[in-house]
Amino acid sequence: EVQLVESGGGLVQPGRSLKLSCLASGFTFSNYGMNWIRQAPGKGLEWVASISSSSSYIYYADTVKGRFTISRDNAKNTLYLQMTSLRSEDTALYYCARHRYLTGHYFDYWGQGVMVTVSS
Amino acid sequence: QITLTQQAESLWISPGERVSITCRASQSLLYTDGKHYLSWYQQRPGQTTKALIYHASVRTDGVPTRFIGSGSGTEFTLSIEHVQPEDFAIYYCLQTLKSPYTFGAGTKLELK
Repeated sequence: EVQLVESGGGLVQPGRSLKLSCLASGFTFSNYGMNWIRQAPGKGLEWVASISSSSSYIYYADTVKGRFTISRDNAKNTLYLQMTSLRSEDTALYYCARHRYLTGHYFDYWGQGVMVTVSS
Repeated sequence: QITLTQQAESLWISPGERVSITCRASQSLLYTDGKHYLSWYQQRPGQTTKALIYHASVRTDGVPTRFIGSGSGTEFTLSIEHVQPEDFAIYYCLQTLKSPYTFGAGTKLELK
């Protein structure tokens, strides 16, 4: 069974940093691209960042470029999102999602999400 | 970037009815492989986000046949026939043709 479990969220002050993790299980993690998507309270989904299976290709939304870094450790089956210079508008539920490239090019499995609150 | 517009923020329907949710893209989502890079997702409270449709019209494994994706170019539709109580949720379209990937704003199906 595919499982994606996010962790590392919490309350952080503006301008500070936070690192999210997404532990994957139930599939060969190194064969899949991964994504971070976020959802501000009461709002819709916003794609944040994407990383290919071998980390060769990395993309970011303009809203986080230069502040967030997506990475992965295939030996640990873990996806990361390093967030710096956090702003109040980064407050959201952050999801990781598996990217099915070869068949469909869509996000086929999602985690439950982890909450990040940026406030003084 | 490619903008996806879901005009209807909410749609009020009764169980058993048919409903269509539209998603319009600011440019064609057709890739050189002949496929559209448009997918649909369902969000229900307390559950993980679920992928329903990819390549505009292909149902993902286990998705009931009452969910039908259609469209081409820039206009896409998710139809649900004979809406069931568990279908009252929020639906999003997503384009993965070009980075930055973008979602539509979402359409909430509400009980009439």
